[in-house]
Amino acid sequence: GESVGLHLPTLSVQEGDNSIINCAYSNSASDYFIWYKQESGKGPQFIIDIRSNMDKRQGQRVTVLLNKTVKHLSLQIAATQPGDSAVYFCAENIRSGTYKYIFGTGTRLKVLA
Amino acid sequence: EAGVAQSPRYKIIEKRQSVAFWCNPISGHATLYWYQQILGQGPKLLIQFQNNGVVDDSQLPKDRFSAERLKGVDSTLKIQPAKLEDSAVYLCASSLGTGQEKLFFGSGTQLSVL
Repeated sequence: GESVGLHLPTLSVQEGDNSIINCAYSNSASDYFIWYKQESGKGPQFIIDIRSNMDKRQGQRVTVLLNKTVKHLSLQIAATQPGDSAVYFCAENIRSGTYKYIFGTGTRLKVLA
Repeated sequence: EAGVAQSPRYKIIEKRQSVAFWCNPISGHATLYWYQQILGQGPKLLIQFQNNGVVDDSQLPKDRFSAERLKGVDSTLKIQPAKLEDSAVYLCASSLGTGQEKLFFGSGTQLSVL
């Protein structure tokens, strides 16, 4: 079936350290992925995306890695800051009639001072 | 550029009452989505519009939920009658086109059904 899941529901990281948030997806037909950040009381905010013809994409302090062999996605945040504290979702895009997104459960990132 | 606007921000109702949510997507965005986000979970798609036509409502509980997007711009989502399990955040999102593109989300409407 279609599903996107996250291995760790809560991740605590010391300020200044790097964070790695993982995501497993089950649909091999998915070919576009997005990471979203959701702060309390707000809607999800786009962080970075990656298409299946790539295995790595870098943004400002963030890197997304895609391993299609094991259907795994990760988000790396460099030099984690207090403002990074939020829930992070991965979303896979699949064409099922029309294009649609399936979101994972989310990982809460807590940045410790 | 203005973002996706939603109202109201919060709503508290009793079970069996009705409620409506409003969404104004980013100007020019063809696709509009309504998601339900239960506490501690990821967003779940309820309905997807392409311009003013429905392209996916497979997970919309049609016995109580309805949505429309008149003139391909604003949209309303209605629940009638509400149940306790409808307590959630209702998120509206839009995207420019109809394919694999970023979704832009509004802040959501937090619904509490008592």
